[in-house]
Amino acid sequence: ETGVTQTPRHLVMGMTNKKSLKCEQHLGHNAMYWYKQSAKKPLELMFVYSLEERVENNSVPSRFSPECPNSSHLFLHLHTLQPEDSALYLCASSQDRRPDETQYFGPGTRLLVL
Amino acid sequence: AQSVTQLDSHVSVSEGTPVLLRCNYSSSYSPSLFWYVQHPNKGLQLLLKYTSAATLVKGINGFEAEFKKSETSFHLTKPSAHMSDAAEYFCVVNVGWSNTGKLIFGQGTTLQVKP
Repeated sequence: ETGVTQTPRHLVMGMTNKKSLKCEQHLGHNAMYWYKQSAKKPLELMFVYSLEERVENNSVPSRFSPECPNSSHLFLHLHTLQPEDSALYLCASSQDRRPDETQYFGPGTRLLVL
Repeated sequence: AQSVTQLDSHVSVSEGTPVLLRCNYSSSYSPSLFWYVQHPNKGLQLLLKYTSAATLVKGINGFEAEFKKSETSFHLTKPSAHMSDAAEYFCVVNVGWSNTGKLIFGQGTTLQVKP
């Protein structure tokens, strides 16, 4: 778990706020991911970055904006969110995107949108 | 289409008894299959993975899973449950090929371990 860190761990925001989630991996990996975990729903892949380039956007609304300034850091910028966006947001990393590669997950940021 | 189905949303066992968490998958390609565990307020941790080598895969904490292609199953087992095994378990299939891996998660199974 210490290989991938996420801050903050908890966040409460209003619908008009702007906030950012941060993820950092200390594993030397080349791929990073954002997932959304909502109650009673499977984990949903949101974004994939490979070598700092966004390679996948899973039809995520534009109020979520990812940023990958380097291979160790990944951000998720949030603005004008809706209450249904309340969820656990998980960051993960892997050495590359081969299908047999293990993804290592951070502890998540629990987001509540009021 | 690729998918994964966990057949039980909730499993309850007594400490010291066997654990069986069931998973079926659907994949057009030879899949890579994973089991992850999530303890409360924690991230996901890999228990084990199958990547077309041995069909019986051993993982951490005494868990193992068997890949059965004929049944499209990848059930997770443990001979003797421990209280610390209480958590959410996810069966996951990677539907990608080459360098386009993408994880598809099951709905999760909550394992309750009673004293």
